[in-house]
Amino acid sequence: QAVLTQPSSLSASPGASASLTCTLRSGINVALYRIYWYQQKPGSPPQYLLRFKSDSDKQQGSGVPSRFSGSKDASANAGILLISGLQSEDEADYHCMIWHSSAWVFGGGTKLTVL
Amino acid sequence: QVQLQESGPGLVKPSQTLSLTCSVSGGSISSDCCYWSWIRQPAGKGLEWIGRIYSSGSTDYIPSLKSRVTISVDTSKNQFSLKLSSVTAADTAVYFCARAEKYTGGFDYWGQGSLVTVSS
Repeated sequence: QAVLTQPSSLSASPGASASLTCTLRSGINVALYRIYWYQQKPGSPPQYLLRFKSDSDKQQGSGVPSRFSGSKDASANAGILLISGLQSEDEADYHCMIWHSSAWVFGGGTKLTVL
Repeated sequence: QVQLQESGPGLVKPSQTLSLTCSVSGGSISSDCCYWSWIRQPAGKGLEWIGRIYSSGSTDYIPSLKSRVTISVDTSKNQFSLKLSSVTAADTAVYFCARAEKYTGGFDYWGQGSLVTVSS
């Protein structure tokens, strides 16, 4: 089982909110981890969005709008990237990442379609 | 504004060694703030971290590639490099170099990526 699991795709309407999940493998406690989120558009490198561990340990990437925010769902053992007020330009792949067992580990990515 | 740029052959034969260089501009690779990584992405797939190097030369590698990977730094040229030996078709990917700040984590600057195809 992968360390981080993301849904392969998600669709949402312009103006709506989208909640992207990053589920940690059973036995890896989400509460202990900083979860990093990246946005990647076709043909471009990933861009750092934000980091979230708790309300007191979080960081917004430089220039990243506040409509991108992070949270956790402890019951689901998952990190969440919430995008509010969806815009067409938000259509992209989104990757989560944690530092685990002395290595950076990425999820498989979620393709967000805005339609 | 820090900029990173990968360079190297786009085609490598099976069993040979893949070599890429990342040139850093707009900032010093010797800065104590940060470390420098290689990350790859096969077509249509997710990202895979390969390893990192500090300006001191200290390195960490992902266990699955550790026996085949070497990352080195040339502070005089403000560059760092990746060598991956005994390549197979499974190593075909876009290779990115990236910078991360030591204490906050997160890769804040990335190169545009370099497609490396392993084929005879």
